[in-house]
Amino acid sequence: EIVLTQSPDFQSVTPKEKVTITCRASQSIGSSLHWYQQKPDQSPKLLIKYASQSFSGVPSRFSGSGSGTDFTLTINSLEAEDAATYYCHQSSSFPYTFGQGTKLEIK
Amino acid sequence: QVQLVQSGAEVKKPGSSVKVSCKASGGTFSTYTISWVRLAPGQGLEWVGRIIPLLGIVNYAPKLQGRVTITADKSTSTAYMELSSLKSEDTAVYYCARDQEYWGQGTLVTVSS
Repeated sequence: EIVLTQSPDFQSVTPKEKVTITCRASQSIGSSLHWYQQKPDQSPKLLIKYASQSFSGVPSRFSGSGSGTDFTLTINSLEAEDAATYYCHQSSSFPYTFGQGTKLEIK
Repeated sequence: QVQLVQSGAEVKKPGSSVKVSCKASGGTFSTYTISWVRLAPGQGLEWVGRIIPLLGIVNYAPKLQGRVTITADKSTSTAYMELSSLKSEDTAVYYCARDQEYWGQGTLVTVSS
């Protein structure tokens, strides 16, 4: 099973700040890495698919990069509405797995 | 417009079974992948399994293998996730998703004696 480890687990940030969340895979997964945003009592929302492809309708301040084992989600100019938990997810091999999540708090 | 509508909340006794439905509209149901993911209280997202209705291919999380069954009815564009021998640790919100892009609203399953 591929283990995804996110860093950090929690981050408190101010609006307009730039945020970087990393996801490391226990073995190479190519570009089969996706990023989700989940707010309390809401369904997860896809932000980035296949490491760097922005999903339709997602604000341009969200971007993704990486391949192999190391991946990054970047949020430029953070907004208050970005307070949420962010998850990475791999679909390279079964069983598919998620990272443990990164909770983003807005100061 | 893609929409996934799930069945309502369930309360079950330990040892019983639950079957959650996920009705899809918009797009061709058979050609997509329907995945199931759960979120337990205080935990992170956990992948449960997935089905490709067109091919009848199903994959499950090893942790739940033997207790979970995912099926799809192409005639009604509805996918199902059945979990048996329920334990308190199965208490969670269960989500379906089409191609991991579009998600249902979630179904709360509570397992309690």
